[in-house]
Amino acid sequence: DTAVSQTPKYLVTQMGNDKSIKCEQNLGHDTMYWYKQDSKKFLKIMFSYNNKELIINETVPNRFSPKSPDKAHLNLHINSLELGDSAVYFCASSPSRGTQYFGPGTRLTVL
Amino acid sequence: AQSVTQPDIHITVSEGASLELRCNYSYGATPYLFWYVQSPGQGLQLLLKYFSGDTLVQGIKGFEAEFKRSQSSFNLRKPSVHWSDAAEYFCAVGEGSGGGADGLTFGKGTHLIIQP
Repeated sequence: DTAVSQTPKYLVTQMGNDKSIKCEQNLGHDTMYWYKQDSKKFLKIMFSYNNKELIINETVPNRFSPKSPDKAHLNLHINSLELGDSAVYFCASSPSRGTQYFGPGTRLTVL
Repeated sequence: AQSVTQPDIHITVSEGASLELRCNYSYGATPYLFWYVQSPGQGLQLLLKYFSGDTLVQGIKGFEAEFKRSQSSFNLRKPSVHWSDAAEYFCAVGEGSGGGADGLTFGKGTHLIIQP
């Protein structure tokens, strides 16, 4: 019954590795987002997808790439991980121009 | 560019006392405003939102917030806090009917501590 789910909840990896975080929503929403929360708990939008189309792309390194196989999923791929990528990543979804509902977060630790 | 300021990084309140968390925003058009709460190790839960209409909005868990256009504020209040209210509180602003496709702009959060 979870509305927005993310896997994994925790991800520990070495610098230079490539990893993915998965997000699924069962709310039938049109738009999905990825946010990054840094060590000071500041939340910043990274990407959003609407009907499989990338709507915005903030100044995020191109090592990060969102991929949406269908309207219910928005996965985040990260290549060549760096220490500074350590953070909590949140997925969210909303109806078109509606309230955003957040997933539980994925805590990424890069060693 | 839109921005949100939460001037209080930490607030300590005694259990049973009233609470007010401040939020000021900067936005060129009519803002769409939100309060989210994040408990330790958890995701963000929507407490309440303002899109239009009545400037005093009611939310979950006994919280309310008042939109004051003249002061560019959207302060969160609760008449009597419970120990379970200890958490991080985020104010956010978005465009369109609640964030749109551009995402939300968040304040830096206020950490609420409840004293017994």
